[in-house]
Parts: sequence; structure tokens; C-alpha cells
Amino acid sequence: GQQVMQIPQYQHVQEGEDFTTYCNSSTTLSNIQWYKQRPGGHPVFLIQLVKSGEVKKQKRLTFQFGEAKKNSSLHITATQTTDVGTYFCAGYYGQNFVFGPGTRLSVLP
Amino acid sequence: ETGVTQTPRHLVMGMTNKKSLKCEQHLGHNAMYWYKQSAKKPLELMFVYSLEERVENNSVPSRFSPECPNSSHLFLHLHTLQPEDSALYLCASSRQEGGNEQFFGPGTRLTVL
Repeated sequence: GQQVMQIPQYQHVQEGEDFTTYCNSSTTLSNIQWYKQRPGGHPVFLIQLVKSGEVKKQKRLTFQFGEAKKNSSLHITATQTTDVGTYFCAGYYGQNFVFGPGTRLSVLP
Repeated sequence: ETGVTQTPRHLVMGMTNKKSLKCEQHLGHNAMYWYKQSAKKPLELMFVYSLEERVENNSVPSRFSPECPNSSHLFLHLHTLQPEDSALYLCASSRQEGGNEQFFGPGTRLTVL
């Protein structure tokens, strides 16, 4: 069946370092969404990408959608302790919506 | 908060108990979802309702029974659960079913003894 993979599974960074998580789908996606879940919290929507090659920015966060609409990335510049949490991508194709396993980010002060 | 509430926030039940989880959304959305989140697996979509009709059931065991009496409320009835069903159960809603941004509730942390 449809799979959405994310790497890395875990990432530990020093505060101020950059961070990137990658999302890959086995199938071409209609759109991809990114969510953040703080420890003990629930997923919160960050952004949706729809167009091939699309790039969107939110302050220190940069989101990209691949040309083939099968992969995506989230890059955080100069991480802060408030960035701690698990970042999920979720791909939509056909009638299905599939979450990736997430990348858990730890930021050391 | 997100406009999606869930009760109870924590639940401990025995394998022979019957309990229900409740979700309510105050956003005027037409689609609602149940997800299971456990430590060892990614978010698993269980059920999808669109305009109060179930549109998806991802091979969920019959011991989980959803109910959507109206577009604002969603229930998950639990019966004869197993310890491996212990997880965080998240409810979400979106404007329409099909790739829209989802708003999640805080979840119910379920422990089955």
C-alpha cells in the first residue's frame, strides 16, 4: 500500500544549528501537509504544499515540494528550544491521506 | 485552542469494559476523523466521516465502533479491548473530506489493563 517515509527518525541539534527532515512517498501526491506535535501535545498544522516544486517559508521554516510531487522537506534555520517536537508530513493521494512516522527533534540549549 | 475538544482526556479500562470517547468540533467542519497514535507506529487513520456518513474504515477491528450523530460530534465506542489497544486516540476535523488542513483535538490517552 501507499507509504510515506521520513528521515531521520530522530535528530539532536545544538541550539542555533539548522535542521532538515525529509519526506518521501512511493506514489505521486496531490498535496502534502506538515504538522508539528510538541511533547505531550497534539499535531498542529503548519503548511500545505500543492504545486510541483513549490517552496514556502514561515519565518525560520522553509518547506519544499519536489518536482515529481513524491518528496518534500522541512528546513529550520537556527533552531530554538521552542522548535522541539515531532514533525510529521502527511501525503494526500486519491482518496487517501497518510501520515509519515515523523522526525523527533531535540534541541540542546 | 483548535476548536476540537475530546473527553475524557485520560481513560483506564479493563478488557471487559465498555466505554466511549467523545469528540466535538466548533468549527463548522463537514469531515471528522479518528486516529490512533501509539509509541511504535505512525499516526493511524481509523475512520473518516463526511457529512455524517462514514467514508473510510481502515480495517479497524470491530471492537472499535464509531458513531457520528451530526457533523459536530463524533464518538468512538470501545468494547472488549486488548492491552495493545492502549494508545492516544486523536480526533480531527476538516472543512471538507479530502486533503484539507486537519484540526486535531487534544486526544484521549487510553490504557487497557
